[in-house]
Amino acid sequence: AQSVTQLGSHVSVSEGALVLLRCNYSSSVPPYLFWYVQYPNQGLQLLLKYTTGATLVKGINGFEAEFKKSETSFHLTKPSAHMSDAAEYFCAVTDWGGKLIFGQGTELSVKP
Amino acid sequence: NAGVTQTPKFRVLKTGQSMTLLCAQDMNHEYMYWYRQDPGMGLRLIHYSVGEGTTAKGEVPDGYNVSRLKKQNFLLGLESAAPSQTSVYFCASGVSNSPLHFGNGTRLTVT
Repeated sequence: AQSVTQLGSHVSVSEGALVLLRCNYSSSVPPYLFWYVQYPNQGLQLLLKYTTGATLVKGINGFEAEFKKSETSFHLTKPSAHMSDAAEYFCAVTDWGGKLIFGQGTELSVKP
Repeated sequence: NAGVTQTPKFRVLKTGQSMTLLCAQDMNHEYMYWYRQDPGMGLRLIHYSVGEGTTAKGEVPDGYNVSRLKKQNFLLGLESAAPSQTSVYFCASGVSNSPLHFGNGTRLTVT
């Protein structure tokens, strides 16, 4: 069965600092992986996705993630945090059956 | 350009009452999903559908029923609401293994 674990329910960084949000997955078949962002009182928006091919994936707003099969990880990074990055971030995994499973979410705070 | 529309946006129920949440999408997507979001628990999949007339259980299906009689609509029913079903409910739609499009959520309170 699929599962997703996001390490750290809350991450706080200073503006301009590196953002690193961790995600590990468990899937019995090659996964498709996604990161979504949720701003307060809104639905989820796609940041980036990994399906096949290049393991380093670039998304919107300067975010990127690297698929590491040997580590079953898909960590999200951004070189320099901006105040507008403050939101909740969700990692998700799907297999061939159409079921998309989310992690518990990581709330990112950005300090001035 | 509606995308995914959820109705209602807010609802308050008393324990034991029933209600139906409606999700409508205008993108001709095959796949539709219902999730609930609770603090510290992320989004948990309630039920999903991979096509018109089909439904399947997700992670937390108990206490909910669904129907997908038309491709564009996915209904979530609560037959006898309980306080544990107080949550924010999100509908989403998509095509196989592609990113989902989400509605803006329904905030349900059961007293």
